[in-house]
Amino acid sequence: AQSVTQPDIHITVSEGASLELRCNYSYGATPYLFWYVQSPGQGLQLLLKYFSGDTLVQGIKGFEAEFKRSQSSFNLRKPSVHWSDAAEYFCAVGARSGGYNKLIFGAGTRLAVHP
Amino acid sequence: NAGVTQTPKFQVLKTGQSMTLQCAQDMNHEYMSWYRQDPGMGLRLIHYSVGAGITDQGEVPNGYNVSRSTTEDFPLRLLSAAPSQTSVYFCASRSTGGYYGYTFGSGTRLTVV
Repeated sequence: AQSVTQPDIHITVSEGASLELRCNYSYGATPYLFWYVQSPGQGLQLLLKYFSGDTLVQGIKGFEAEFKRSQSSFNLRKPSVHWSDAAEYFCAVGARSGGYNKLIFGAGTRLAVHP
Repeated sequence: NAGVTQTPKFQVLKTGQSMTLQCAQDMNHEYMSWYRQDPGMGLRLIHYSVGAGITDQGEVPNGYNVSRSTTEDFPLRLLSAAPSQTSVYFCASRSTGGYYGYTFGSGTRLTVV
């Protein structure tokens, strides 16, 4: 069965430090992978997505993610974190079920940023 | 602004009460879905619709009903609320050609006491 694991529930970093959020997936075919961000009281915003091609994907707000098939991973990175990046981050894999393209989400990683 | 609108933003219900969570989109999207978000579990699919008059169950459909009489609206009904339905509910939509490019609403936080 398809699944997504985000091993870190909470991460705290200092402003200006680099960031890496981990994501591992289980999927039988070539996966469609996504990272979403949820700011407090807001809906989910798509940061970036991977469908095929270059395994290093650039997204909005200075984020990037790298698809590693051998490790079944799609980790999210940012070289320098800003206080406004404090939010919850969700990794998701696209899965087709009964003719419908649905998203399977990980449990999320809550990011806190210290000044 | 174009997007997915959910109402209400907050709701408290007593066990056994019924209510409808509203979801409307103005992007002419065919596909719409409802997710619930619970701590430590991410978002899970409740019901989805591939067009007006067509709905189907997701991963956690028990206790919820949906209907899709128009392209714009996709309400979620709780017929007899239970404390286990305390959650944050998100509605999402996408176009037929949008593959997995979902637009999410800002959510409804529901508490059942």
